[in-house]
Amino acid sequence: GQNIDQPTEMTATEGAIVQINCTYQTSGFNGLFWYQQHAGEAPTFLSYNVLDGLEEKGRFSSFLSRSKGYSYLLLKELQMKDSASYLCAVRDSNYQLIWGAGTKLIIKP
Amino acid sequence: ETGVTQTPRHLVMGMTNKKSLKCEQHLGHNAMYWYKQSAKKPLELMFVYNFKEQTENNSVPSRFSPECPNSSHLFLHLHTLQPEDSALYLCASSQGPEDKSYEQYFGPGTRLTVT
Repeated sequence: GQNIDQPTEMTATEGAIVQINCTYQTSGFNGLFWYQQHAGEAPTFLSYNVLDGLEEKGRFSSFLSRSKGYSYLLLKELQMKDSASYLCAVRDSNYQLIWGAGTKLIIKP
Repeated sequence: ETGVTQTPRHLVMGMTNKKSLKCEQHLGHNAMYWYKQSAKKPLELMFVYNFKEQTENNSVPSRFSPECPNSSHLFLHLHTLQPEDSALYLCASSQGPEDKSYEQYFGPGTRLTVT
């Protein structure tokens, strides 16, 4: 079967750095996405990786290793507004998105 | 504001009721999606429409009936639901399911409670 694993919850301190991991086992691979979802709101797109390596976008970076079936989202200079759930999703060989259950990130002052 | 709107935002219905969820996208996208989001579970894809044609139906019970009259509008008709159907129902749209690096734009969701 297809599976996306990510930690259920993480806690970090304002101003610090946090890394949210995602491992996947899917039928084929056509890209990996990270989305942010604040409580009671719509998921919003953060990043897309299809080749191995690091993609940087401001305070957020996303890394992919296809051979290891592994990705992480790195958040730097954490702000209170970064408290949210972070969803990892992989597009399989049928171009369907397979979603993880999300990681709830709690930022403490 | 993502360009995808959903109504109503909250809905409470009995198991014998019939109701409809509405989604509208103002982005000129060709594909629209219905997802179910339950607490601490992955997003579950329910239906996919591409150019108004249904291309995916992920073994969704017949008490959920989608309708896509045009590329901008998507409905989910509900009847004789069960309490376990209580969840957040999200609508999304994208350029097209097979575009190389498309992202999906989500609406704010309808919080459905079945009593």
